[in-house]
Amino acid sequence: DIQMTQSPSTLSASVGDRVTITCRASQSISNWLAWYQQKPGKAPKFLIYKASSLESGVPSRFSGSGSGTEFTLTISSLQPDDFATYYCQQYNSYPWTFGQGTKVEIK
Amino acid sequence: EVQLVESGGGLVQPGGSLRLSCAASGFTFSSYEMNWVRQAPGKGLEWVSYIGISRNTIKYADSVKGRFTISRDNGKNSLYLQMNSLRANDTAIYYCARDRGANGYFTNWGQGTLVTVSS
Repeated sequence: DIQMTQSPSTLSASVGDRVTITCRASQSISNWLAWYQQKPGKAPKFLIYKASSLESGVPSRFSGSGSGTEFTLTISSLQPDDFATYYCQQYNSYPWTFGQGTKVEIK
Repeated sequence: EVQLVESGGGLVQPGGSLRLSCAASGFTFSSYEMNWVRQAPGKGLEWVSYIGISRNTIKYADSVKGRFTISRDNGKNSLYLQMNSLRANDTAIYYCARDRGANGYFTNWGQGTLVTVSS
């Protein structure tokens, strides 16, 4: 199975900050990577696919990059609505696997 | 608007069975691949199972293979997960999630249904 490792596990930031979350795959997954946002008590929300393609309706302050084994999710200017947990997910091969999550909290 | 509504969760004893349902609306259900994804309390996300449009392709995580069965009824716009031989570590919120073109990512999620396996 492909292991996905996110860093950091927790990130403290302020409104307006630029935030970067890293996701590493245990083997190359090309650009078959998705990102999700989850708030407490809610279902995940789909943000990005194919490492850098923004889903329709997702604010442009979110962006993704990377290929192979290293990927990043960047929030260019953190907004109050962005405090949440973020997950990466590989869909290069079964079983599809998620990172352990990165919690973005208020500093 | 795409809507996915899970039901069927509850408390079950170890070794017991449960059948989850997911009612889909707002899109042509028969044209989309579907999945189940679960989340143990306070933990991360774990993909559980996938079913293709015409049920010709079905996949399972190793942790549930041989115990869980995914199915769909395109006439009823519904997705199912039959869970047998349940274990304590199957305790989780179970989400149904819509795929996009069999790509493997999950564009729409239901609100989830909680399954608790405990004596």
